[in-house]
Amino acid sequence: NAGVTQTPKFQVLKTGQSMTLQCAQDMNHEYMSWYRQDPGMGLRLIHYSVGAGITDQGEVPNGYNVSRSTTEDFPLRLLSAAPSQTSVYFCASSYSSGWGTDTQYFGPGTRLTVL
Amino acid sequence: GIQVEQSPPDLILQEGANSTLRCNFSDSVNNLQWFHQNPWGQLINLFYIPSGTKQNGRLSATTVATERYSLLYISSSQTTDSGVYFCAVVGGGSNYKLTFGKGTLLTVNP
Repeated sequence: NAGVTQTPKFQVLKTGQSMTLQCAQDMNHEYMSWYRQDPGMGLRLIHYSVGAGITDQGEVPNGYNVSRSTTEDFPLRLLSAAPSQTSVYFCASSYSSGWGTDTQYFGPGTRLTVL
Repeated sequence: GIQVEQSPPDLILQEGANSTLRCNFSDSVNNLQWFHQNPWGQLINLFYIPSGTKQNGRLSATTVATERYSLLYISSSQTTDSGVYFCAVVGGGSNYKLTFGKGTLLTVNP
């Protein structure tokens, strides 16, 4: 098992550019999510998905889009990058039921800098 | 939304010492997890513990859901325990939104 994988590990963008952060898991987890981590802020939920075709907003969704066409993949899109989106981004996955989520497994993170 | 407060924000220990980290939350929860973020940034799940007590080696955790707090105990600390410890909860009417505290930065000196 590779677990949760994220690409790229590092990325530098200019303001206004677009890009997609990739996340994949091979554990057949229903639940996948994206977080950003900023100094002194802990991790904040951006978007999450409870299964293919189902996504919802988290705490800080503005400026980010997601889709979930397969169980394995959950890409995060920045349509027009801004310096405020400079952060470390983590993807996570877990089993899920109607009652909620289970133990979260995190990817290694993507460090994004927007100039 | 639900609020999560962790204390202390920073903790410095000598190797071999014991410590207790605390997590307070503002509403009922159906999910509480403790994570360790090592100095290289990797996040590792330590416990899934919405209630009760669990132990894993030198680490143990207790959640008292009725009083809205959880404790993480680290005994005989080692330098490899250094890093940030996060508490995260799901609650306050949501089944799927995990809310993190700001973490406790633990430094264990040899």
